[in-house]
Amino acid sequence: GDSVTQMEGPVTLSEEAFLTINCTYTATGYPSLFWYVQYPGEGLQLLLKATKADDKGSNKGFEATYRKETTSFHLEKGSVQVSDSAVYFCALSDRVRGSTLGRLYFGRGTQLTVWP
Amino acid sequence: DADVTQTPRNRITKTGKRIMLECSQTKGHDRMYWYRQDPGLGLRLIYYSFDVKDINKGEISDGYSVSRQAQAKFSLSLESAIPNQTALYFCATSAELAGGHSTDTQYFGPGTRLTVL
Repeated sequence: GDSVTQMEGPVTLSEEAFLTINCTYTATGYPSLFWYVQYPGEGLQLLLKATKADDKGSNKGFEATYRKETTSFHLEKGSVQVSDSAVYFCALSDRVRGSTLGRLYFGRGTQLTVWP
Repeated sequence: DADVTQTPRNRITKTGKRIMLECSQTKGHDRMYWYRQDPGLGLRLIYYSFDVKDINKGEISDGYSVSRQAQAKFSLSLESAIPNQTALYFCATSAELAGGHSTDTQYFGPGTRLTVL
C-alpha cells in the first residue's frame, strides 16, 4: 500500500543553518505530495505541495521537489530561523486514474529545533 | 474565528467510559476526516466522510465510530474507552471540486488531547 518514510529526528540546528529533511514514498498511482507543519500546541498547517513529477512546491523559504525517479520529496530551507521550530510531516494523497481519493498518508514527523 | 473547531480541547476519562469528540467547520467543505496522532507514529486515519451519507473506515477504525450529523459536523465516538486510545485527535476537512476531485489540501482543527486512565 501507499506509505511515506521520513527522516527521523530530532533535528537541532543553529539559526541561519541549512535544513534538509528527507522524505521518500511508495505509491501505486500518481500521488500528490505535501509537507505539513505543526507548531507547538496547534494543528497541522499545509506548508507546501506538489501534484506531479518535477513540480517544486515552495513557501516561506521552504522548498521541495517531486522526484518520481527517486520517489522522494525532500524538504529544504537555506537559512532556518528560531520561528521554524516545529514538527514537519511529509504526506501523500492517494490518486487513482487522476482522481484524488483524498486520503492522506503521513510520515512519522521530524521535530526541528532551531537555536539562536 | 477558526474555520475548523474541535471540542473538547482536552479530556481525561476512565477505562470503559463512552466519549464523544466533536468537530465543526465553517469552510463549507464536503469532506471530513478524523486522525489520531501518537508520538513517533505520525497521523493515522480513523474514519473519513465524503458527504453526509458517505462514511468510510480508515486505517485504524476498530474501537471507534463516527456520525456525520450535517455537512458541517462530524463526531467521533469511543464506545468504551481503553488506555491505548490515549492520543491527540485531529479533525480535518477538504473541498470536493466538480467531478468528484478533491483539492488534496486538508485543513486541520487544533486537536483534542484525550487521556484514558
